[in-house]
Amino acid sequence: RKEVEQDPGPFNVPEGATVAFNCTYSNSASQSFFWYRQDCRKEPKLLMSVYSSGNEDGRFTAQLNRASQYISLLIRDSKLSDSATYLCVVPSYSSASKIIFGSGTRLSIRP
Amino acid sequence: EAGVAQSPRYKIIEKRQSVAFWCNPISGHATLYWYQQILGQGPKLLIQFQNNGVVDDSQLPKDRFSAERLKGVDSTLKIQPAKLEDSAVYLCASSLDPTGSEQFFGPGTRLTVL
Repeated sequence: RKEVEQDPGPFNVPEGATVAFNCTYSNSASQSFFWYRQDCRKEPKLLMSVYSSGNEDGRFTAQLNRASQYISLLIRDSKLSDSATYLCVVPSYSSASKIIFGSGTRLSIRP
Repeated sequence: EAGVAQSPRYKIIEKRQSVAFWCNPISGHATLYWYQQILGQGPKLLIQFQNNGVVDDSQLPKDRFSAERLKGVDSTLKIQPAKLEDSAVYLCASSLDPTGSEQFFGPGTRLTVL
């Protein structure tokens, strides 16, 4: 099993819709996770950190399911500006100080 | 607060040539990372420094890639000789510590190898 896996998408949803995507990880000892957002031809930027049960910030909710080893990102009332690639980041098996980026999920919001 | 600086922003070279990238992290950030991001993929860690020491370089192709951070501040990444498959965006990031705190990325250097 890969250390981190994401559905590449693209997810194409209308403005105002709710969309969710998952990221599975293989290191069961992982404690902290992150979602980064990357706009086209730009650098990644931290969107949310995910510890213990989850995190919520406005329209964005991140949840952790330890039993099934995945984290999810839910976006409510999606905006055109939410169009981006969302990168899941998880701790690596091999080193406590190393994190692994997923390949990203592309999201496109249409008017 | 100034962000992570990288130069050049774009570079086009022919295969077998050499190229070097420069990164200046956020002031006070002890941890510095170099990533390679190929189109359609997530960033892949090449090397991680803690101050001027290497923490992880397991995915750095050491036969052609080298990196240094001599004074524990700015860093250079070199490729010699370049191959076609090295075409990618090279991202530098920094963080306060290596234990998973937020990483701040520079704008990247887009390398095209012809």
